[in-house]
Amino acid sequence: KAGVTQTPRYLIKTRGQQVTLSCSPISGHRSVSWYQQTPGQGLQFLFEYFSETQRNKGNFPGRFSGRQFSNSRSEMNVSTLELGDSALYLCASSLQGSGEQFFGPGTRLTVL
Amino acid sequence: DAKTTQPNSMESNEEEPVHLPCNHSTISGTDYIHWYRQLPSQGPEYVIHGLTSNVNNRMASLAIAEDRKSSTLILHRATLRDAAVYYCILRGAGNMLTFGGGTRLMVKP
Repeated sequence: KAGVTQTPRYLIKTRGQQVTLSCSPISGHRSVSWYQQTPGQGLQFLFEYFSETQRNKGNFPGRFSGRQFSNSRSEMNVSTLELGDSALYLCASSLQGSGEQFFGPGTRLTVL
Repeated sequence: DAKTTQPNSMESNEEEPVHLPCNHSTISGTDYIHWYRQLPSQGPEYVIHGLTSNVNNRMASLAIAEDRKSSTLILHRATLRDAAVYYCILRGAGNMLTFGGGTRLMVKP
């Protein structure tokens, strides 16, 4: 069974630009969560989608948004990029109620 | 959100058991205790989780205190591949995981 895949793996953008990251969950998983990891703040929850609906949201500004498609694939978008948005963005998928989340390898975003 | 407290780092010798402690004194009755680990340059990996009773799986054991205010992750025989940051997390409703700083486990050969 293929794991969680994230594309692209690396990305360089400049301040003010926007970016879209993609996540394909494990087949059959309907829940997709996104996390941001930085050296200073550690791992922080961004949001969770389940059956195309946002179910939980972390404490991030509205520049961070996401969506989920009918095939459970998810995208997250960051608009008006700031230097502080440089981070590893991780996606995790899970079955409903299983408790176990499977993380992808992440997308390393660098904002210059 | 309920928080967890873990030591910043621990050391272990290879092939010896490791006990990683976690305090969660503000845990609510419906919070599950989860453990994940993150190896260098990888995403976090699920280790184990439980609610009230002790749990065992192929990777580790989870011992939960009777009052649920603390728990211990037990690696029965540490290997060099177990060197990672271990996160103790409380999960409430949904799949939102609130990560703390974790414990960096170093395994000496």
